[in-house]
Amino acid sequence: QKEVEQNSGPLSVPEGAIASLNCTYSDRGSQSFFWYRQYSGKSPELIMFIYSNGDKEDGRFTAQLNKASQYVSLLIRDSQPSDSATYLCAVFTSGTYKYIFGTGTRLKVLA
Amino acid sequence: DVKVTQSSRYLVKRTGEKVFLECVQDMDHENMFWYRQDPGLGLRLIYFSYDVKMKEKGDIPEGYSVSREKKERFSLILESASTNQTSMYLCASSLGRYRGLNTEAFFGQGTRLTVV
Repeated sequence: QKEVEQNSGPLSVPEGAIASLNCTYSDRGSQSFFWYRQYSGKSPELIMFIYSNGDKEDGRFTAQLNKASQYVSLLIRDSQPSDSATYLCAVFTSGTYKYIFGTGTRLKVLA
Repeated sequence: DVKVTQSSRYLVKRTGEKVFLECVQDMDHENMFWYRQDPGLGLRLIYFSYDVKMKEKGDIPEGYSVSREKKERFSLILESASTNQTSMYLCASSLGRYRGLNTEAFFGQGTRLTVV
């Protein structure tokens, strides 16, 4: 079992729709969870972090965390073509002191 | 703004060469990381460091070494480059372990290394 799992996609959504990206993790000691966006040929940039169960909203983005189910998700409302990118889920565990990344989900927003 | 700068954007090296990839951050971060990114495999951790002169192996350290003589600089060394080390290399930094949990990793622009 991979430590952090994501569906590789591509996930295609029409412009203006809600895109839902999901991530599961295996280490119950994980403490912080991050969503990065990566455009082709560029380095990852942080969109959001979350460390408490529940929802966290920032503009069009909402991160959701369920530690009991070891599940974290990212919702993108009113998706735009400029949101087309690969979204990486990352998990941080202070015990190992490492960021572990999923392989990413490629999102395509169709105009 | 946090700045993580990698010395080269593109590099082409020959098999067997010793290769140095340099990374500098300007935000006084304790932690620094080297990842490689390959299609379908995502980001894989090579080495990381949480203090000057400290280093820890990541998931794929074979064929690599690192050096951290100063807090702001973390170097990745390919002792004898091989074609299977052709990849995108990403350096990252973050605040130290005692400064809170929500410390995201900031990435450099990446170095695309081709070994021929």
